[in-house]
Amino acid sequence: KNEVEQSPQNLTAQEGEFITINCSYSVGISALHWLQQHPGGGIVSLFMLSSGKKKHGRLIATINIQEKHSSLHITASHPRDSAVYICAVRSRGMLIFGTGTRLQVFP
Amino acid sequence: NAGVMQNPRHLVRRRGQEARLRCSPMKGHSHVYWYRQLPEEGLKFMVYLQKENIIDESGMPKERFSAEFPKEGPSILRIQQVVRGDSAAYFCASDGGSYNEQFFGPGTRLTVL
Repeated sequence: KNEVEQSPQNLTAQEGEFITINCSYSVGISALHWLQQHPGGGIVSLFMLSSGKKKHGRLIATINIQEKHSSLHITASHPRDSAVYICAVRSRGMLIFGTGTRLQVFP
Repeated sequence: NAGVMQNPRHLVRRRGQEARLRCSPMKGHSHVYWYRQLPEEGLKFMVYLQKENIIDESGMPKERFSAEFPKEGPSILRIQQVVRGDSAAYFCASDGGSYNEQFFGPGTRLTVL
């Protein structure tokens, strides 16, 4: 069993839909990151969380430390949101990554 | 404030050659991390370095791979006698300490022919 599990693996949506990506982890962490990666592209850090909730534009990230679970929400999704979204937890200094969720938003 | 810099962005090597990947952390960052992303796979930790010290190399293959972060200059990930299975994207990240946010470089895409 992976230390960081993400679901779903693949997600398609129509423009404007509300999207949720889930992440569960089984190790002790100091923080959790949500990252975005476009095909063939670099990695952009969206959020770093250690508790509660953060919002940036149309993106919202929440974490429940007791349940070892985090969610990334995208409101009013847009085709430019199409990318791979990766959950990563900070443990012993390094990041441990989930396998990613491939999101495609169609107009 | 320039972000994390990596070069080259693309590197092609023939089997048996050496690959050297460079990473310059963000200004003020003293911690460097290397991660590898194999084709169609997720990112995996390789090594964590501070200036002149390897803190954790538990993700490094035992042979042919080495990393350094000298007092002056960029961090170097060195792969000797490359094989086709080394073809991957190698990402570097930096931060100012274990509780700070990591920032990623654009990656080096290594292709071994």
